[in-house]
Amino acid sequence: DTEVTQTPKHLVMGMTNKKSLKCEQHMGHRAMYWYKQKAKKPPELMFVYSYEKLSINESVPSRFSPECPNSSLLNLHLHALQPEDSALYLCASSHPGRANGYTFGSGTRLTVV
Amino acid sequence: SQQGEEDPQALSIQEGENATMNCSYKTSINNLQWYRQNSGRGLVHLILIRSNEREKHSGRLRVTLDTSKKSSSLLITASRAADTASYFCATGLINDMRFGAGTRLTVKP
Repeated sequence: DTEVTQTPKHLVMGMTNKKSLKCEQHMGHRAMYWYKQKAKKPPELMFVYSYEKLSINESVPSRFSPECPNSSLLNLHLHALQPEDSALYLCASSHPGRANGYTFGSGTRLTVV
Repeated sequence: SQQGEEDPQALSIQEGENATMNCSYKTSINNLQWYRQNSGRGLVHLILIRSNEREKHSGRLRVTLDTSKKSSSLLITASRAADTASYFCATGLINDMRFGAGTRLTVKP
């Protein structure tokens, strides 16, 4: 298995909703990442987990809450989002401590209404 | 959190021509990577070049790295319509990778 699977592919949520984005990989990668990408912009790093521990939090608002329940799963819990949070959310994984390419999922396109 | 700048921002060429994209970055790096993204979906890793390497090839791709100038270039030879995509360079430390602004490549049949 050489894929990162993200669900759902599309999500529309209201500003008072609580939802979660999910990411799963079975490549034995112990580093997992969340990136946010606005239209026609590059991906921006949000969070990094290394060996299931949060190692980087890029000053992301607390309405985004990451969770890494085990070495294969990464969640992003969403609560009280704003319309400007609408974006493509990308999950990626890699071997920690090695210089190698990241494997990306195809993303969740989030629209906040 | 963007690490580098790429130019051109957009490039339009005919099928069969070569495409060259450039990336400049600001801080010390361990490695530099290039990714392709089709239609705003997931990114696909193309090639990685380490800071002690100067040139690397993979199929129709050729990447160069000049650490003294903090710059890299990606050359796609004999382009195809299927190469139409956005191309991003990414740099930083291991487990902390940041993307450049990207080049939007259009290859016309």
